[in-house]
Amino acid sequence: QQQVKQSPQSLIVQKGGISIINCAYENTAFDYFPWYQQFPGKGPALLIAIRPDVSEKKEGRFTISFNKSAKQFSLHIMDSQPGDSATYFCAASMRKTSGSRLTFGEGTQLTVNP
Amino acid sequence: DAGVTQSPTHLIKTRGQQVTLRCSPKSGHDTVSWYQQALGQGPQFIFQYYEEEERQRGNFPDRFSGHQFPNYSSELNVNALLLGDSALYLCASSRGLVKDTQYFGPGTRLTVL
Repeated sequence: QQQVKQSPQSLIVQKGGISIINCAYENTAFDYFPWYQQFPGKGPALLIAIRPDVSEKKEGRFTISFNKSAKQFSLHIMDSQPGDSATYFCAASMRKTSGSRLTFGEGTQLTVNP
Repeated sequence: DAGVTQSPTHLIKTRGQQVTLRCSPKSGHDTVSWYQQALGQGPQFIFQYYEEEERQRGNFPDRFSGHQFPNYSSELNVNALLLGDSALYLCASSRGLVKDTQYFGPGTRLTVL
């Protein structure tokens, strides 16, 4: 069962533009929503994360917007740079005393043209 | 401060063989999770270890097993390899069982021929 759906599958943006990636989740028990960046041949690197008690979180050029009622969250990359070209994954997890597992979206391949 | 390390980097096996992958968590972390990432897909959770015990398990067959050592390092074992086991195997570590933030290693690329 796919619990986190991510779109678009691929995205092409010009340098300096805004990249927007969207995710939707089903399980209302999820309480932690991170975004990971992955370059070819590398492991995912944590980019930014949010909890459902806030609607927005910004770190540098990266912003997460969170809509709890719609069960959606999105990543905005401002002033996109060619070095941002990578695959981005949204994820979700819920805290349990038995542990915490991440459920990932399918990924978005971002290309930023110079 | 060393991050999550994994070995080997690449591995080629044939169908039916067995494989062992290794992971050392980030300094100060005591919980290790394993994920399988098929080409072009998001990582899928295999299992999580804490205090040398398997605490959570994803939808993977018993051919996938693991172990955690007293120094918090971990191994992933896969028996009777299938072609479909070809993937990037990722290890992630966190500080404490209920901590959400997981940091990933570079992965081990397993190819099954």
